[in-house]
Amino acid sequence: QITLKESGPTLVKPTQTLTLTCTFSGFSLSTGGVGVGWIRQPPGKALDWLAHIYWNDAKYYSSSLKTRLTITKDTSKNQVVLTMADMHPEDTGTYYCAHLNSRASYSFQHWGQGTLVTVSS
Amino acid sequence: DIQMTQSPSSLSASVGDRVTISCRASQSIGSYLSWYQQEPGKAPKLLIYGASNLQSGVPSRFSGSGSGTDFTLTISSLQVEDFATYYCQQSASSLTYTFGQGTKLEIK
Repeated sequence: QITLKESGPTLVKPTQTLTLTCTFSGFSLSTGGVGVGWIRQPPGKALDWLAHIYWNDAKYYSSSLKTRLTITKDTSKNQVVLTMADMHPEDTGTYYCAHLNSRASYSFQHWGQGTLVTVSS
Repeated sequence: DIQMTQSPSSLSASVGDRVTISCRASQSIGSYLSWYQQEPGKAPKLLIYGASNLQSGVPSRFSGSGSGTDFTLTISSLQVEDFATYYCQQSASSLTYTFGQGTKLEIK
């Protein structure tokens, strides 16, 4: 059974850096074709893909946010970390991590419950 | 970047109705199209991948079709639990993924 869970601060101040951790079980990020992605959702708005990382350490970022994002993995700990620099109030929303499967056409097959991040002074 | 446009943005229907939601890509994405269902306050759930492949455990009343730039999600007979928001997502470009803006399905 694949599970993912996001953790990190619920409140950050403008200009601060957000660090979120996705801890997962039921799969390994050393298995070919597997990845983990991050997706956010502002309150009442649509899903917004941020970044993803593959088993071979290939990393991909949203073109509009790539200067602010860094994604890394720790295969031994079954964790993926996303950092987002220079947080703004409009970055407020629920942040999800999700399991990516190349054998399912690179879809996000399994999702964490999400964590709400508020950006406010 | 590839843009994804869903229509309609919202839809009212009754239990038992057949419903279709459309998704159009700004350029060809082959069959790299997934559909997700999101209930209020919950994480999205994968319904369809590869444009037409039903994710394990998803009821057979859900189906997907299309290729290239035009795709459709069909619910053959709406159930109460299907009233939610639906998103399409392209994964053709391994560099950047994109979600549609969502379609909210409401009870008439």
